[in-house]
Amino acid sequence: DAGVTQSPTHLIKTRGQHVTLRCSPISGHKSVSWYQQVLGQGPQFIFQYYEKEERGRGNFPDRFSARQFPNYSSELNVNALLLGDSALYLCASSSWGTDTQYFGPGTRLTVL
Amino acid sequence: EDKVVQSPLSLVVHEGDTVTLNCSYEVTNFRSLLWYKQEKKAPTFLFMLTSSGIEKKSGRLSSILDKKELFSILNITATQTGDSAIYLCAAGPNFGNEKLTFGTGTRLTIIP
Repeated sequence: DAGVTQSPTHLIKTRGQHVTLRCSPISGHKSVSWYQQVLGQGPQFIFQYYEKEERGRGNFPDRFSARQFPNYSSELNVNALLLGDSALYLCASSSWGTDTQYFGPGTRLTVL
Repeated sequence: EDKVVQSPLSLVVHEGDTVTLNCSYEVTNFRSLLWYKQEKKAPTFLFMLTSSGIEKKSGRLSSILDKKELFSILNITATQTGDSAIYLCAAGPNFGNEKLTFGTGTRLTIIP
């Protein structure tokens, strides 16, 4: 079975631009969470979606938004990019009701 | 504010040594403590602990949770160069709410 997949692998943007990151969960998983991992730090929770509804939001500005589609895949959108948004963005999927989350390989975003 | 603290931040040992990694947590409505191994990008799930005092083992790795003192340890015996990685500890709240709070991680380096 395929694990969590994310696209693109790498992305370079300039300040002020917009970016969309994509995630496909493990087959059968209905919950998707997004995390931001800045170099040298642990992942920080951004959003959790289940059955297309937002179930949790971390301490991130409104420039960050996400959605989940009927096939349970998800997109993370970041507007008006700042240099500080440079990070590894991780997507994790799980079955609802369990805390075991399985992570994808991440998207490395560099903002210049 | 939820908090997870790991120690040491960095550890360098020789192959064959035994190491102990520490994790303390303060998380509202705590339910589970998870350990992940991160080598390049995707954190790989190792253990989830929900009951105090019950050791979980997988090969040379083992972990235990103390819910009274709010900490967990991860032990690795007979270390190998392939164990070199960042080990992340995360704590999660109530059943069904899957936001994980991560520590900064312990960078483990095994010298041949």
